[in-house]
Amino acid sequence: DVKVTQSSRYLVKRTGEKVFLECVQDMDHENMFWYRQDPGLGLRLIYFSYDVKMKEKGDIPEGYSVSREKKERFSLILESASTNQTSMYLCASLTGTYGYTFGSGTRLTVV
Amino acid sequence: QQQVKQSPQSLIVQKGGISIINCAYENTAFDYFPWYQQFPGKGPALLIAIRPDVSEKKEGRFTISFNKSAKQFSLHIMDSQPGDSATYFCAASTGYSGGGADGLTFGKGTHLIIQP
Repeated sequence: DVKVTQSSRYLVKRTGEKVFLECVQDMDHENMFWYRQDPGLGLRLIYFSYDVKMKEKGDIPEGYSVSREKKERFSLILESASTNQTSMYLCASLTGTYGYTFGSGTRLTVV
Repeated sequence: QQQVKQSPQSLIVQKGGISIINCAYENTAFDYFPWYQQFPGKGPALLIAIRPDVSEKKEGRFTISFNKSAKQFSLHIMDSQPGDSATYFCAASTGYSGGGADGLTFGKGTHLIIQP
């Protein structure tokens, strides 16, 4: 089974901090994604990547950036965390034509 | 990416009944329509998916019905069980051959409770 691992389940950060959320997949997949999930809003695409050093903006990229230096690792960066970025963040890897495998999520609280 | 509208927001069904969740979309370029199931504390997991060249797809107790002219698709859960209690998301994307390689547009989710 494909495994997508998000390094932290819970994070608490202060406003203005630079925050790194890490995601690793173990199946050499090219396509990886970052979503945020908020109650009543579903999942919204932040950024995605087709390959190493490639990145594409999703629907809500403002305030975020990403890094993909190695194929298995896709990092989401909050340059200066704000309280409206308090959310559940989900990383996913695309398993061919059979859909995404999601990680278990990182619940980020910005205080 | 354009919106996918999902209803109802929450649903309570008796054990053994049929659960029905509906989604509507606007972008006629969408050609891949998956449903995801999410349990508390877990990421969403692919349940079933359909392409627009078929009107129905069935896997076990789960069926997707697709109406291309109405731009609607729905999930039916037959003989609903308490273990089906979860949040369900519909989604859509273009580029089926990539299976959503340019990202999925998700509905807002349906919280389903199956009462014993």
